[in-house]
Amino acid sequence: DTAVSQTPKYLVTQMGNDKSIKCEQNLGHDTMYWYKQDSKKFLKIMFSYNNKELIINETVPNRFSPKSPDKAHLNLHINSLELGDSAVYFCASSHNAGGPEQYFGPGTRLTVT
Amino acid sequence: EDQVTQSPEALRLQEGESSSLNCSYTVSGLRGLFWYRQDPGKGPEFLFTLYSAGEEKEKERLKATLTKKESFLHITAPKPEDSATYLCAVRPSLTTDSWGKLQFGAGTQVVVTP
Repeated sequence: DTAVSQTPKYLVTQMGNDKSIKCEQNLGHDTMYWYKQDSKKFLKIMFSYNNKELIINETVPNRFSPKSPDKAHLNLHINSLELGDSAVYFCASSHNAGGPEQYFGPGTRLTVT
Repeated sequence: EDQVTQSPEALRLQEGESSSLNCSYTVSGLRGLFWYRQDPGKGPEFLFTLYSAGEEKEKERLKATLTKKESFLHITAPKPEDSATYLCAVRPSLTTDSWGKLQFGAGTQVVVTP
């Protein structure tokens, strides 16, 4: 199936740990995104890559580091996890940076205890 | 500062009871207003893009309209399967500072009961 996939779907970890979330899209899109959805359901952009180049870097703690090994993959590494990092993280992709339609993955629910 | 406000926060409808959701926005140079549907435990699913005031888009029981200050999502004769959270998002002027960045509202949670 053509889609945006994320692993893992659930992630429970303790404060201070380091974790990674992986995202892959097989839609042939050039642009990928990471969003954070907090408990109030606000969806906020964190990062975006276009053809492996970082083009959006919102005000996010530098404990969060995205990496795009190729244009089909965008991973998110989080160092020294804090309680406030608990949220659902969504990966998305679009045809290009100006593309009107973004396709979202199923989300990764991160719980930091 | 760009802002997107959706109302109401929650809406409970009887099956067949038509209603409208509101998305009001302030943005520097609108380059698109987007509607998404989000089911519990899933990622948002794209519904519509509107670019200019007066534009309308339809899909099954949903119709989106756009003015210079707000957008409406009309749900006509809803069915229980229309239950979801509906998210509105805007894209400001496409400059190197904003690229494809979308700014989302908090959403309207719609529940349609049989």
